[in-house]
Amino acid sequence: DGGITQSPKYLFRKEGQNVTLSCEQNLNHDAMYWYRQDPGQGLRLIYYSQIVNDFQKGDIAEGYSVSREKKESFPLTVTSAQKNPTAFYLCASSLTADEQYFGPGTRLTVT
Amino acid sequence: RKEVEQDPGPFNVPEGATVAFNCTYSNSASQSFFWYRQDCRKEPKLLMSVYSSGNEDGRFTAQLNRASQYISLLIRDSKLSDSATYLCVVKLGGFKTIFGAGTRLFVKA
Repeated sequence: DGGITQSPKYLFRKEGQNVTLSCEQNLNHDAMYWYRQDPGQGLRLIYYSQIVNDFQKGDIAEGYSVSREKKESFPLTVTSAQKNPTAFYLCASSLTADEQYFGPGTRLTVT
Repeated sequence: RKEVEQDPGPFNVPEGATVAFNCTYSNSASQSFFWYRQDCRKEPKLLMSVYSSGNEDGRFTAQLNRASQYISLLIRDSKLSDSATYLCVVKLGGFKTIFGAGTRLFVKA
């Protein structure tokens, strides 16, 4: 089955720890994205990548880092510098710059 | 002013009703438009793209008004399974995409 997988579904961390969220796709899409969703708000773009070994900051990149070493994988690291890391994190991919397809998301709770 | 604005609702409608959502966008250079559906605590899923000529997919009709900078989604003969949050999405060009905060719909028996 083609699709986007994110793991884990739920993640709990203590404040001050870095944490890495996984995103893998087998759709052969060139572009991949990371969004953050907070209650009552729209999705906000953290980072996106159009091709391997290249990525761009989105609107809220501070406190986050990414890598794109393989076409299929786009992991997101939430660093201790992120002030409010508790959120629902969604990874997406697209073949062109149009329709994006999302993974099931990771709910991160930092206490 | 938000770049993409939607009425948050919730819209509470009985089964079989027709319901319409509007969404306004602020950037006249916006190029592509979409409606996504998001169920509670799930990922957004593409419902339909919105074309200038308007388009229909079964019970769903989407319209775009570039002059007034709004898009709409009409759902006819509402089903219980239509209960979800509907996200208006606007693409400015390249990879810049703006998501609305969503409109919640509850369809009741």
